Amino acid sequence: DGGITQSPKYLFRKEGQNVTLSCEQNLNHDAMYWYRQDPGQGLRLIYYSQIVNDFQKGDIAEGYSVSREKKESFPLTVTSAQKNPTAFYLCASTIETRNTGELFFGEGSRLTVL
Amino acid sequence: GENVEQHPSTLSVQEGDSAVIKCTYSDSASNYFPWYKQELGKRPQLIIDIRSNVGEKKDQRIAVTLNKTAKHFSLHITETQPEDSAVYFCAGGARSQGNLIFGKGTKLSVKP
Repeated sequence: DGGITQSPKYLFRKEGQNVTLSCEQNLNHDAMYWYRQDPGQGLRLIYYSQIVNDFQKGDIAEGYSVSREKKESFPLTVTSAQKNPTAFYLCASTIETRNTGELFFGEGSRLTVL
Repeated sequence: GENVEQHPSTLSVQEGDSAVIKCTYSDSASNYFPWYKQELGKRPQLIIDIRSNVGEKKDQRIAVTLNKTAKHFSLHITETQPEDSAVYFCAGGARSQGNLIFGKGTKLSVKP
């Protein structure tokens, strides 16, 4: 099955710890994105990457880091510098062509800081 | 950068009625406006999109209109059904920008 897979689905973290959320896609998509979803806040962009070894900050990048060493993988690290990390995190991908723009989302990872 | 405002935040309609959700955007360079539906506990999925070279697009019971001059676009759902109950997100962006900015979402409830 082609798709985008996020893991873990649920994650608990103590304050002061870094955690890494995994995002893998086998759709051969060029671009990958991380969004944060909070109640009443919609989807806010954290980071995105259009090609391997390149990524850009979104609107709320502070306290997060990413890497894009492989086309199919775009892990997100939530660092201890992120002041309010408890949230639902969604990874997405899209093929970078002129006429398509559909984002394919993973099922999400819910992070809770204890 | 782009800013997308979405209204209303919640909408309740009777089954069979129409529902309209409105969004405004700020960046005149934006040329792509999709709508995503997120059912409870599920991932967002694209339901319809429109590009700035057209004013209206329809797909069965859903339609989207775009007014480039006023920088607003709307989602119209006719003959609503209980399975239309979900959170709907509008978004705006441009391919040159490489990303989409989402509205805050509208929770639509369709009462049988």
